Amino acid sequence: AQSVTQLGSHVSVSEGALVLLRCNYSSSVPPYLFWYVQYPNQGLQLLLKYTSAATLVKGINGFEAEFKKSETSFHLTKPSAHMSDAAEYFCAVSEAGNTGKLIFGQGTTLQVKP
Amino acid sequence: EAQVTQNPRYLITVTGKKLTVTCSQNMNHEYMSWYRQDPGLGLRQIYYSMNVEVTDKGDVPEGYKVSRKEKRNFPLILESPSPNQTSLYFCASSLSATTRRQPQHFGDGTRLSIL
Repeated sequence: AQSVTQLGSHVSVSEGALVLLRCNYSSSVPPYLFWYVQYPNQGLQLLLKYTSAATLVKGINGFEAEFKKSETSFHLTKPSAHMSDAAEYFCAVSEAGNTGKLIFGQGTTLQVKP
Repeated sequence: EAQVTQNPRYLITVTGKKLTVTCSQNMNHEYMSWYRQDPGLGLRQIYYSMNVEVTDKGDVPEGYKVSRKEKRNFPLILESPSPNQTSLYFCASSLSATTRRQPQHFGDGTRLSIL
């Protein structure tokens, strides 16, 4: 069975500091991985996706993620945090087969301190 | 503008009173899905639909019904709501379920409180 684990339900960084949100996955088939962001009272917005092309994926708002097969990881990073980055972040893997289901991690809330 | 629209955004109701949450997408997507979001659990799939008249259960389907009579609409029905269905609900759509690399587009969510 596939699964996603996000390490750390809450992460706090200072404005201008590096953002690192961790995601590890388990999958018996080549994974397709996604990072979504949820701002307060809004739906989920796609940040970036890994679909077996380049292992370093660039997304919107300066975020990027690196797919590391040997570590089964897909961590999300941003060099310099902005106050507007405060939100909840979800890592997800697309389930094998044709259910179309996304399997989500538990989510990580990012707090950015001035 | 491409979007997934859910209504209502917020609803407080009582146990046993039937309710419907509507979902509509304007992207001509074949695939639609409902998720519920609960603290510490992420999002879990309730039901999904591969196309018109084709629906199937997700991971947590108990207490819910869906229908897909038109391609653009995928309502979620709670026939007899109970307090354990208090949650934040999201509708999502994508071009096709057969291509796993397709991202899903999400609505803004519906917060349901069942008293």
